[in-house]
Amino acid sequence: GAVVSQHPSRVICKSGTSVKIECRSLDFQATTMFWYRQFPKQSLMLMATSNEGSKATYEQGVEKDKFLINHASLTLSTLTVTSAHPEDSSFYICSARPGGEQFFGPGTRLTVL
Amino acid sequence: QKEVEQDPGPLSVPEGAIVSLNCTYSNSAFQYFMWYRQYSRKGPELLMYTYSSGNKEDGRFTAQVDKSSKYISLFIRDSQPSDSATYLCAMSPNSGGSNYKLTFGKGTLLTVNP
Repeated sequence: GAVVSQHPSRVICKSGTSVKIECRSLDFQATTMFWYRQFPKQSLMLMATSNEGSKATYEQGVEKDKFLINHASLTLSTLTVTSAHPEDSSFYICSARPGGEQFFGPGTRLTVL
Repeated sequence: QKEVEQDPGPLSVPEGAIVSLNCTYSNSAFQYFMWYRQYSRKGPELLMYTYSSGNKEDGRFTAQVDKSSKYISLFIRDSQPSDSATYLCAMSPNSGGSNYKLTFGKGTLLTVNP
């Protein structure tokens, strides 16, 4: 299957700081990437759809000013959690589709102290 | 009623057993069905991708879709301890387009005991 990478795999930050997470498609180009959040023992919740060269589409209830998404190239999308708070602590996972199937990155565990 | 229902388990089976995992859904527009395996603290890994009703087999895994009953299954034969993970079903009404998105079940936690 296609390979999607994420960096960093784990980040711990202080409350009020901003954190950037990178998502890369390694062996294919992706005009669209997806950002999910997963709380412990919960399923994946779609946060936003990242579109190369245009604005991201956010799901209802997701603050676009807090979760900034930039899809600057066909292989890279970034999610910046601005002014992070402890309630933002979660597992953030990106995904992309080279065709019909959707492949996920390994995830980034964010802990906000 | 949630769009996709999946028993969270946990499900515990002995090594070598046949495992049956299931999801039901309410949206008759769903046509594409997927099963993902997620190990603890890892991203989901695509196991099976099927379109419409029918069966699909890949090694020890068999996916079944019954659209008339709005019911999908994943069977694992000769289960191994390495199969211990959370299994997520996912589905979508289309394969692409501007409104494409997957709807996930909550996941079933499976433990295969040696």
